[in-house]
This record gives sequence, structure tokens and C-alpha cells, in this order.
Amino acid sequence: GAGVSQSPSNKVTEKGKDVELRCDPISGHTALYWYRQSLGQGLEFLIYFQGNSAPDKSGLPSDRFSAERTGGSVSTLTIQRTQQEDSAVYLCASSSDREAFFGQGTRLTVV
Amino acid sequence: TQLLEQSPQFLSIQEGENLTVYCNSSSVFSSLQWYRQEPGEGPVLLVTVVTGGEVKKLKRLTFQFGDARKDSSLHITAAQPGDTGLYLCAGRGAGSYQLTFGKGTKLSVIP
Repeated sequence: GAGVSQSPSNKVTEKGKDVELRCDPISGHTALYWYRQSLGQGLEFLIYFQGNSAPDKSGLPSDRFSAERTGGSVSTLTIQRTQQEDSAVYLCASSSDREAFFGQGTRLTVV
Repeated sequence: TQLLEQSPQFLSIQEGENLTVYCNSSSVFSSLQWYRQEPGEGPVLLVTVVTGGEVKKLKRLTFQFGDARKDSSLHITAAQPGDTGLYLCAGRGAGSYQLTFGKGTKLSVIP
């Protein structure tokens, strides 16, 4: 597809379980971002990948959160031992130059 | 760390009124973008400004980049219910690939 694709679109998980969220960026985009958005709130930066450089992980809220980007393309955000406060929409964006293009997000609900 | 402060955080106005949303920083940005996000969707790019003092118009929306490239404003004329959404500004620092997002302004236009 031409846009950023995220999967799944919705995920309900039990507290304590691990979840993996996937992001397929626009082909050729070297930069990839993960953000978290709680209901009705702005974007909370999580992690940023740029080419082969070490990722900027400064926004990850705890060591339960990790992300990787394989082959400079697809990225996976993993949340271990999920907690109820992890419930939010997780947005991925990719960028080649000035502008970022977002996926539709994954709505995560921890019950 | 570059920070972008958006104001106001929330804005509720009547249809037909004018409004201005602000995006401010102490840092200089090489470019600045405005995005709009509707419920259940990812943010969508509205405009990119690059040159200090630049003004861009998109129908009833007017975007301005400050002369020093540290701030920007979005002015909406004769707001309509379809303008309702979360407005986000994002800046890219000089020599940096990373985008920094503001927390957003949540606009509600009441019919």
C-alpha cells in the first residue's frame, strides 16, 4: 500500500500479557516514529528510528516497552506484562524528509 | 531537547467564529508542520512552512511561521463543525531529522 499500515487495528489483552504492535512504513522512508495517545490527549513520543543510527528511546515510559526495526523497514513495538495504564492508541509515523505520515493506529485495551 | 508549546489546549467556539491556535518554542526549527486529527484516525498533514515569515493559506485556514522560525500560528476564519479535531504542530530542528510534536489543541466547533 501507499500509506503507513499498522496492525492490529484493535487489541484487547489481559493484564500481565505481552503484546506486539506492528508498523509497516511507507517504502523508502528512513525515519520511523512511535507515539502513544491516551483518550482525547496529544501525542506522547515513545521512540524514533533513523536509518542505521541508534534509536532515540528517550520516550519509552518503562523497561516493559521495547521496539525494533528490522532491515530499516517494518517496526514492532513490544509491551511486556501489560498494565491497565498502557491502554491507549499507539500511532506509528514514517518520514523521508520534512513531513511525517501516520498510520491509523492500534487501539490497545488492557483489561 | 526541543519543546513545542501549543495554546490553548482546548477551544470550544460557535460556528462562524474566528480562532487562532499558537505553537511556540525557544528553539529554531528548519521547518514546521501542522496536522489535524479526527477521532479514530491518525493525524493528517495540513501544511509545511519553511521560511521565516512565511504565510500559507488553505481555504479558511491561514498558517504563519514566525520571522525567527521559533513559533507558528494557525488562524481559522468562520469556523465550521467540520473543523472540529485535534490540531498538532511539529517542528524539525536545524540539522536534525527528528520531528518534535506539540501536545495539540483540541478544537470543538458547535453548530
